[in-house]
Amino acid sequence: RKEVEQDPGPFNVPEGATVAFNCTYSNSASQSFFWYRQDCRKEPKLLMSVYSSGNEDGRFTAQLNRASQYISLLIRDSKLSDSATYLCAVLTTGRRALTFGSGTRLQVQP
Amino acid sequence: EAGVTQFPSHSVIEKGQTVTLRCDPISGHDNLYWYRRVMGKEIKFLLHFVKESKQDESGMPNNRFLAERTGGTYSTLKVQPAELEDSGVYFCASSRRGGGTGELFFGEGSRLTVL
Repeated sequence: RKEVEQDPGPFNVPEGATVAFNCTYSNSASQSFFWYRQDCRKEPKLLMSVYSSGNEDGRFTAQLNRASQYISLLIRDSKLSDSATYLCAVLTTGRRALTFGSGTRLQVQP
Repeated sequence: EAGVTQFPSHSVIEKGQTVTLRCDPISGHDNLYWYRRVMGKEIKFLLHFVKESKQDESGMPNNRFLAERTGGTYSTLKVQPAELEDSGVYFCASSRRGGGTGELFFGEGSRLTVL
C-alpha cells in the first residue's frame, strides 16, 4: 500500500464550480501535511499547509481528519487558472523529507 | 532572490552513459533535497543534505547514483551507468529549515531520457 494516496483524476469541472480532493495517508505517525500545486511541466509549489483545525486561504480550504487519516482540499468558485495537478505531501515523525502523493489533476473548463 | 536552479533542463543519453545533474539551491538554504518523478508515478524522495552532510539517502535506488554537495552550496547527482528505468524528471528542492515546515522550494527539474 502506498504511503500517500490520491485519486489521479482528472476532475473536469466548469468554471465557478466547487471541487474537493481527498488524500489518504497510511502512517499514523504522520505529523505535518501540505498541498502543493504543479502546473504542466513546471515545478511543484506550496499551496498551503494543513492544520489540525483546518485552514482557509481565499477560495481554498484545507482540512485534516486524523481519525480517518486523510486530508482534503476544497476549491470554491473554480477559475480556469486553477487547472493544475494538486499534490498532497506528508511529513512523518522521524523523517525530515516530505512524502508526496501522485497528484490529482484538475481541469477547469469554460 | 534567485530561485532553485537546475542544469541541464533536459538530457538525452544512451544506456550505459554517464550523466551529471546540478542543482543550485536558494542562497542560505542549508537543506537540499533530490526527488525523482518517473512517468505516471509520484514524486519520490532520493536524498537530503544538510549543508554538506547527507542526512538521509534512503531513497537512492542503487549504487549507480551518487550525490555530492561539496562546500554545502550546489549539489550534483551523477548516474553511472545510466539504465532505461532511470528516465524521469529529477527535481531539486531547498529549504531554510528542515522539511517540517513544508516550505520546500523546487527547481524546474532536469528531465532525463535514457535511450
